[in-house]
Amino acid sequence: GAVVSQHPSWVICKSGTSVKIECRSLDFQATTMFWYRQFPKQSLMLMATSNEGSKATYEQGVEKDKFLINHASLTLSTLTVTSAHPEDSSFYICSTVGFGYEQYFGPGTRLTVT
Amino acid sequence: AQSVSQHNHHVILSEAASLELGCNYSYGGTVNLFWYVQYPGQHLQLLLKYFSGDPLVKGIKGFEAEFIKSKFSFNLRKPSVQWSDTAEYFCAVNGGGGSNYKLTFGKGTLLTVNP
Repeated sequence: GAVVSQHPSWVICKSGTSVKIECRSLDFQATTMFWYRQFPKQSLMLMATSNEGSKATYEQGVEKDKFLINHASLTLSTLTVTSAHPEDSSFYICSTVGFGYEQYFGPGTRLTVT
Repeated sequence: AQSVSQHNHHVILSEAASLELGCNYSYGGTVNLFWYVQYPGQHLQLLLKYFSGDPLVKGIKGFEAEFIKSKFSFNLRKPSVQWSDTAEYFCAVNGGGGSNYKLTFGKGTLLTVNP
């Protein structure tokens, strides 16, 4: 399957600052990527669908102005958490879509906002 | 809207015991079904998937799952678990096919296998 990397793996930022998380598809051209959020001991919640060369599609209840997604190339999608607050602390995971609806997941980025 | 329910939050077994993790989904149309596993400190990996055909699907590491359409279920099984199977298991569903690649996940089941 496809190999997906995320950077950074862990980031701590102060409240009010912005942080960018990168998701790279290392061996697969990813037209579509997904961004998920995972709270401790809970499931993955889909935040948005990132489409190369076009605007992201956000799930209901996700603030598009707070979680900025850019998918400028077939191998890179970025998620920027703007004006982060402690409640944004979470585990953010990206995935790419492979053949047959399979998704290949990155290792995740743990965001801690102090 | 589609939803996925996993019945067990935490399952504790001894090595060599048999495993069955329940998964029920709610969706009225054609579905694609998946089980993903997340080992401690690692990313999600696909265990197995069902798209069509034989409702009993076999995956990696000796896992299998059975799709029972009438029960909207896709339970995961393994005859004899090992300590290395300790992980979190997620059932997921993709409904509708076509260009809809979105996955809806269950809340996950943490499996602890004691040696």
